[in-house]
Amino acid sequence: QKEVEQDPGPLSVPEGAIVSLNCTYSNSAFQYFMWYRQYSRKGPELLMYTYSSGNKEDGRFTAQVDKSSKYISLFIRDSQPSDSATYLCAMRRRSGAGSYQLTFGKGTKLSVIP
Amino acid sequence: KAGVTQTPRYLIKTRGQQVTLSCSPISGHRSVSWYQQTPGQGLQFLFEYFSETQRNKGNFPGRFSGRQFSNSRSEMNVSTLELGDSALYLCASSLAGTEVFYEQYFGPGTRLTVT
Repeated sequence: QKEVEQDPGPLSVPEGAIVSLNCTYSNSAFQYFMWYRQYSRKGPELLMYTYSSGNKEDGRFTAQVDKSSKYISLFIRDSQPSDSATYLCAMRRRSGAGSYQLTFGKGTKLSVIP
Repeated sequence: KAGVTQTPRYLIKTRGQQVTLSCSPISGHRSVSWYQQTPGQGLQFLFEYFSETQRNKGNFPGRFSGRQFSNSRSEMNVSTLELGDSALYLCASSLAGTEVFYEQYFGPGTRLTVT
């Protein structure tokens, strides 16, 4: 079993729809939970990060973490064609003195159709 | 502030050859991490350098190596290339990061094709 599981999609939605992206994980040592967005031919860029269970909102984006279920979600409201990209979840844990390591999901490719 | 830059952007090599990729972090960032991204395995951590020392390593064979210079610029080397090494290699830099969260900023990547 991989430490982080993410449905690769692809996911296609009409403009204005609410998008739900999810990841599950197995390692309780993960402390930070992140969502990255990656456009074609670009490197990933950080959208949001959370530390504890609960919700965090930033504009049209809401990140949700449920540590008891080892489940994280990203919701996109009023989706726009410019949201079309691959979304990767990532989780961070300590990996030795003064160091940490990120583990990524495989990414979900999202297309928002005008 | 200039972002993370990686050179070259595209590279084609033959099996058995070796390759060196370069990464220039954001000014002031001392931590540089390298990742391999493939459709099958996704984004996988290779190693991290901080102040010229490798302080973390992923599960890749010894053919993958790296180094960091005093100006924080980093290089990674892959020797005896295999077809399976074809991937997008991403470099990310950050200020540091232990208990506090510091964002990693990714470069655009180097697309390596091994034939």
